[in-house]
Order: sequence, then structure tokens, then C-alpha cells
Amino acid sequence: RKEVEQDPGPFNVPEGATVAFNCTYSNSASQSFFWYRQDCRKEPKLLMSVYSSGNEDGRFTAQLNRASQYISLLIRDSKLSDSATYLCVVKILYGNNRLAFGKGNQVVVIP
Amino acid sequence: NAGVMQNPRHLVRRRGQEARLRCSPMKGHSHVYWYRQLPEEGLKFMVYLQKENIIDESGMPKERFSAEFPKEGPSILRIQQVVRGDSAAYFCASSRQGAPEQFFGPGTRLTVL
Repeated sequence: RKEVEQDPGPFNVPEGATVAFNCTYSNSASQSFFWYRQDCRKEPKLLMSVYSSGNEDGRFTAQLNRASQYISLLIRDSKLSDSATYLCVVKILYGNNRLAFGKGNQVVVIP
Repeated sequence: NAGVMQNPRHLVRRRGQEARLRCSPMKGHSHVYWYRQLPEEGLKFMVYLQKENIIDESGMPKERFSAEFPKEGPSILRIQQVVRGDSAAYFCASSRQGAPEQFFGPGTRLTVL
């Protein structure tokens, strides 16, 4: 079983709409959770950390469900500039800083 | 405040040659990580280093690959006797002591002919 699993999509989203997707992780001892954004052929950029209580940053809301081992990301009022691949990232072991990446959810915002 | 720097951005090598990829972490960051992204694949962890120490190299191929982070200068990822399957984007990330967030450099795209 993969450490982090994501449905790659693509998710075609009309401009202004809301899109949500999630990922699952296999290691229940995972400590830290993140969403990164990766534009085509560029480096991943940290979008937001994900906390147990859930957190919001502008139009972006992240949720963590430890019992079911999944993380979600919701984007409201989608902009054309939101088109990118969103990577679900998990820090696997306490004391070991290795990050495990999902393959990403590809989002295409359509005018 | 300069981010993570990597060079070269693009590197072309013929089979059997050596590739050296360099990474300078963000100012104030003492932890460096190398990841590889194959075409159409997710990022895979390779190695985690602190100054003069390899902390975790569980993702490094057993042969031909090595990494270092000397006391002075950038971290180096070295690939000896490259093969076509080594063609990929190699990303370096850095973090502060005790901080979980990692910040990525622009990557080096290695092409093996």
C-alpha cells in the first residue's frame, strides 16, 4: 500500500466554483501534514500545514481526520490562477523528517 | 531573503558520465533533503543531511548515488556512471532545526542521453 494516495484527476472546475479533494495515508504514526502546490515543471510550494482542528487560509480550507487517516483540501471561489497540482504530504515518523508525497490532484480551472 | 538555491537548473550528461548537483539551503536552515521526481510520478525522498552528517539515506539507491553536506559550501548530490533511468527532476529542500515545514529549491533537471 502506498504511503500517501491521491486521485490524480484532473478536476475540471468552472471559475468561481468550489472544489474539494482528499488523500489517504497509511501510517497511523504520521505526525505532520501539509498541502503543497506544484505548477508544471516547477518546485513544490508550501500551501498550508494541516492541523487536527482544521484550518483556513483565505479561500483554502484544510481538514485532518486521524481516525480515518485522510486529509482534505477545499478551494472556494476558484480562480484561473488556482490551476495546478495539489500535493498531499505527510511527515512519516516522529524524529525522522522525511516527507512522503502523494502523486497530486491536478486542478484545471476553466473560464 | 534568498530561498533554496540549486544549480545547475538543467544538466545533460551522456551515459557513464558523472552528475553533480548542488544545493544551498535557505539562510538559517541547517537541514537539507534531496528528492527525485520521475516523469509522471510523485516526489520520492532520497536523503536527509545536516552539516557533515547523513541522518537518513534510506531513499538512496544502493549504488552510484552519494550525498554530502560539508561544513562549508553547498550540499552535493553525486551520481556516478549515469544511466537513462536517472533522468529526472532532482529537488532539494531545507528546513530549520525543529521545524516540520520544508521549502524547496527550483530543482535540477537531469537528462541522460
